[in-house]
Amino acid sequence: KAGVTQTPRYLIKTRGQQVTLSCSPISGHRSVSWYQQTPGQGLQFLFEYFSETQRNKGNFPGRFSGRQFSNSRSEMNVSTLELGDSALYLCASSTSGELFFGEGSRLTVL
Amino acid sequence: QKEVEQDPGPLSVPEGAIVSLNCTYSNSAFQYFMWYRQYSRKGPELLMYTYSSGNKEDGRFTAQVDKSSKYISLFIRDSQPSDSATYLCAINWKTSGSRLTFGEGTQLTVNP
Repeated sequence: KAGVTQTPRYLIKTRGQQVTLSCSPISGHRSVSWYQQTPGQGLQFLFEYFSETQRNKGNFPGRFSGRQFSNSRSEMNVSTLELGDSALYLCASSTSGELFFGEGSRLTVL
Repeated sequence: QKEVEQDPGPLSVPEGAIVSLNCTYSNSAFQYFMWYRQYSRKGPELLMYTYSSGNKEDGRFTAQVDKSSKYISLFIRDSQPSDSATYLCAINWKTSGSRLTFGEGTQLTVNP
């Protein structure tokens, strides 16, 4: 069974640009959540989607947004990038409380 | 006060040692407890998942939960160099879906 797939794995952007990250969950998993991981703040919850609806949202500014499609695949978008947005963005899928993470998308903002 | 406190280490032990990793939490509403292992430049990998006080064993790993003390532990027996990674505790409460609260992680090195 394939795991959680995230693309792209690495990307470099400049301040002010926007970025879209993609996540394909484990087959059959309808819940997809996103986390930001930085050395200073650790793993922080961004948002969760279930059946195309945002079910939960963390304490991030509105520049961070996401969506989920009917096939459970999810995307997150960060607009007007800031240097502090440099991080590993992790997607996780779940079906019964256990979260399974992808390898992450490492974003560097210059 | 952070909701979940975890000693960041680093922790260095010889091969074969018993490793004890610990977290404390502040909110008694937390009901689900997980341990993840994260290798460098990889995503977290779920090791253990439990929701009740007591011990849960899986091979060389034992997760222990003490809800009365708000304390969770992960024990690794016969540690191997391949266990060298960062270990993260994560906690959830029943109605928060996939919104986990993570400890900051303990970096473990097992020396051959």
